[in-house]
Amino acid sequence: AQSVTQLGSHVSVSEGALVLLRCNYSSSVPPYLFWYVQYPNQGLQLLLKYTTGATLVKGINGFEAEFKKSETSFHLTKPSAHMSDAAEYFCAVSFGNEKLTFGTGTRLTIIP
Amino acid sequence: EAQVTQNPRYLITVTGKKLTVTCSQNMNHEYMSWYRQDPGLGLRQIYYSMNVEVTDKGDVPEGYKVSRKEKRNFPLILESPSPNQTSLYFCASSLSLRTGYMNTEAFFGQGTRLTVV
Repeated sequence: AQSVTQLGSHVSVSEGALVLLRCNYSSSVPPYLFWYVQYPNQGLQLLLKYTTGATLVKGINGFEAEFKKSETSFHLTKPSAHMSDAAEYFCAVSFGNEKLTFGTGTRLTIIP
Repeated sequence: EAQVTQNPRYLITVTGKKLTVTCSQNMNHEYMSWYRQDPGLGLRQIYYSMNVEVTDKGDVPEGYKVSRKEKRNFPLILESPSPNQTSLYFCASSLSLRTGYMNTEAFFGQGTRLTVV
């Protein structure tokens, strides 16, 4: 069965510091990988996705993620955190069918 | 504007009183699904629909019903709500994640916060 694990339910970083949110998946077939962001009282919004091709994927708001097959990882990074990045982030995986399996989420807090 | 619309946004009800949460999308998407979000558990799929009149169970279907009579609408029905169904619910739609539609994404509604007392 497909699964995705997000390490760290809460992450705090200082404004201007590097943001690193971790995501690992388990699979025996190539996955499609997604990061979604949820701002308070809102639905989920797609940040970025990997389907095929270049393993370094750039998304909105300066975020990027790298698909590393050997490590079964798809960590989300941003070089410099901004106060507006405070939100909950979800990693999700699909294996070529319609079903999205979500991780448990990481709440990102930005310290002024 | 492309969007998924859920109603209501907030709902407080009593145990056993049937309720329906509506979901409508204006993007002509084939695939629609319902999720519930609970702290520490992330989003779990309740039901999904691959097209009109085609629905199937997700990971946590017990206590829920759905229907897909029209492509744009996918209501979630709780015939006899119980307190353990208190949660935040999201409807989502997408073209398809099957091969050939790889450049698609799931669009989410704003969520419905349901409290069952």
